[in-house]
Amino acid sequence: AQSVTQLDSQVPVFEEAPVELRCNYSSSVSVYLFWYVQYPNQGLQLLLKYLSGSTLVKSINGFEAEFNKSQTSFHLRKPSVHISDTAEYFCAVSDQNAGNMLTFGGGTRLMVKP
Amino acid sequence: NAGVTQTPKFQVLKTGQSMTLQCAQDMNHNSMYWYRQDPGMGLRLIYYSASEGTTDKGEVPNGYNVSRLNKREFSLRLESAAPSQTSVYFCASSERPMMVSTDTQYFGPGTRLTVL
Repeated sequence: AQSVTQLDSQVPVFEEAPVELRCNYSSSVSVYLFWYVQYPNQGLQLLLKYLSGSTLVKSINGFEAEFNKSQTSFHLRKPSVHISDTAEYFCAVSDQNAGNMLTFGGGTRLMVKP
Repeated sequence: NAGVTQTPKFQVLKTGQSMTLQCAQDMNHNSMYWYRQDPGMGLRLIYYSASEGTTDKGEVPNGYNVSRLNKREFSLRLESAAPSQTSVYFCASSERPMMVSTDTQYFGPGTRLTVL
C-alpha cells in the first residue's frame, strides 16, 4: 500500500521569504501526485497536480512542485510567500495499481508571519 | 453554484447515538466520496460512490453506512457512534470515478463531529 510522508508538521516563515514543503511517497510505480490546500474552516482545494509530462508543475498563485522519481519526492516550493498563504497543505498520491485511490500525507501547516 | 455542501457543520453525540451526515453537490458530478480527517493522519477514504446507484468501501469503512440517494446527494450514517469516530468528515465529488480518471475532487467545508 502507498504511504505519503510530510516530514514537517509545521513550517513558520516570514512574509516574502521562500518556502519548501516536503513530500515523500513510498512507491514511484504508476502514480499521480497532488498538492491540496486547506484554508481555515474550509474544505480542501486542489493546488496543483502531476499526471505526466514535464516534471515541474505550477499553480496560478506562484507555487510549484517537482516530481522526482528517483527520490520518490514531490516537494512544494514558493519563492516569496504572502500572509494569505497561511493554510494547511496536503500532499496526496494516486496509485494506479489501487484504483487511483488517493492516499494523503499528514499535512503541513504553513504559518506566514509579518 | 454552491459546489459541495454539507450539513451539519458541527455535531456532538453521546456514545451509542446515531446520526446521518448529509452531502449534496450541484456540479452534475457522477462520483462522490466520504473522507475523515484526523490530526497528523491526513484524509482517509471511508466510502465512495462511482455513480448513482453504486457504493463501495474505502480504506476505513467500519462503523459507517452510506446511501447514494440520487445523483446529487450522498449521505453517511453512523448507527452507533463511538469516541473513535470523533473526527472531521469531508464529502467530495468528481466528474468521473477515480478508478478510471484523475478528475479533480471538489471538497465540501466539512462536518466537525465529537463523540463523548
